[in-house]
Amino acid sequence: KQEVTQIPAALSVPEGENLVLNCSFTDSAIYNLQWFRQDPGKGLTSLLLIQSSQREQTSGRLNASLDKSSGRSTLYIAASQPGDSATYLCAVNTGFQKLVFGTGTRLLVSP
Amino acid sequence: GAVVSQHPSWVICKSGTSVKIECRSLDFQATTMFWYRQFPKQSLMLMATSNEGSKATYEQGVEKDKFLINHASLTLSTLTVTSAHPEDSSFYICSARRTEVSTDTQYFGPGTRLTVL
Repeated sequence: KQEVTQIPAALSVPEGENLVLNCSFTDSAIYNLQWFRQDPGKGLTSLLLIQSSQREQTSGRLNASLDKSSGRSTLYIAASQPGDSATYLCAVNTGFQKLVFGTGTRLLVSP
Repeated sequence: GAVVSQHPSWVICKSGTSVKIECRSLDFQATTMFWYRQFPKQSLMLMATSNEGSKATYEQGVEKDKFLINHASLTLSTLTVTSAHPEDSSFYICSARRTEVSTDTQYFGPGTRLTVL
């Protein structure tokens, strides 16, 4: 059974810092991995999707990497801003768009 | 971009009543929709896969007779929580799978907050 874990569970940083969120999964047989953002009481916003054959994806200040063989992904956020404060979720696609979500990292960026 | 809506956005009901939540794909057809549940400060857990025109597939531990899913059209799936109890209080999120135009991805709805008194 696929299990997805995210570390740290919570993170508080001052504005401007670069930071790394970690995601690990137990079964490397995945189709892709996706990073989402969730604001309190809201739905999900897709940030980046990495196919299993890819190593990384970039969008603006965000960079996500994938090492499928070791079961790890990282989300790098450059020059963090207070507006980045949210919960970040990673999810692995185990096939037919069936997603297994991680435990999430709650990020707080203070001004 | 693709839009998925949910209705209602929040609902409060008495214990023992049934509640229906709608999930609509507004600008694309979705033969497959997914229903997730999220308890406070926890991650999303897949409850079931809703397939248009056929029975839903439920994840292990999810009671199919309690959480009724109907996917009667290519743009609408409904989740009915029957005989709701306080422990069913949760945030329910749906997603719709889009497979047209050489993409295969899910688009998520904004969620429905259910509180059972």
